[in-house]
Amino acid sequence: DIQMTQSPSSLSASVGDRVTITCRASQSISSYLNWYQQKVGKAPKLLIYAASRLQSGVPSRFSGSGSGTDFTLTISSLQPEDSATYYCQQSHSTPYSFGQGTKLEIK
Amino acid sequence: EVQLVDSGGGLVQPGGSLRLSCAASGFTFSSYWMHWVRQAPGKGLVWVSRINGDGSSTNYADSVEGRFTISRDNAKNTLYLQMNSLRAEDTAVYYCARQGLRSGSYTYWGQGTLVTVSS
Repeated sequence: DIQMTQSPSSLSASVGDRVTITCRASQSISSYLNWYQQKVGKAPKLLIYAASRLQSGVPSRFSGSGSGTDFTLTISSLQPEDSATYYCQQSHSTPYSFGQGTKLEIK
Repeated sequence: EVQLVDSGGGLVQPGGSLRLSCAASGFTFSSYWMHWVRQAPGKGLVWVSRINGDGSSTNYADSVEGRFTISRDNAKNTLYLQMNSLRAEDTAVYYCARQGLRSGSYTYWGQGTLVTVSS
């Protein structure tokens, strides 16, 4: 099974900051990497699929990069509504594992 | 408009059974792989199971293999998860999710249904 490791587990940043979350796969997953945002009490929302493709309707301040085993999610200019937990997920092979999540707090 | 509506959760004793449903609308249900993902209280997302469009292919997480069965009724546009031999560690919100046609990502999710396994 493929293990997904996110870092950091939590972070606090200010409005306007550039924020980067990393995700590492235990083996190569090519570009089969997706990013989700989850707010408290809500279902997750797809932000980025295939490592770098922005889901329709998602603000352009969100971007993804990487391939193989190392991936990043970047928020270019943090907004108050970005306070949430972010998860990476590999869709290379079942079980479609998720990272443990990164809780992002706005200072 | 694509909609997924999860239902069937509730309180069940250890060793008991429950069947979850996910009613789909707004798209050609039989064309899509469908998945179940769960989230224990205060914890992260965990993939549970998936099924292909015609129901002929299924996969399960090791933790539920042999106890849970995923199925679908394309005539009713409904996805199911039959959960048997439930354990306390199965307590979670269960979400159904639709896999994209060209990627393994989940563009659409149900609202989730809470399963609590407790005596």
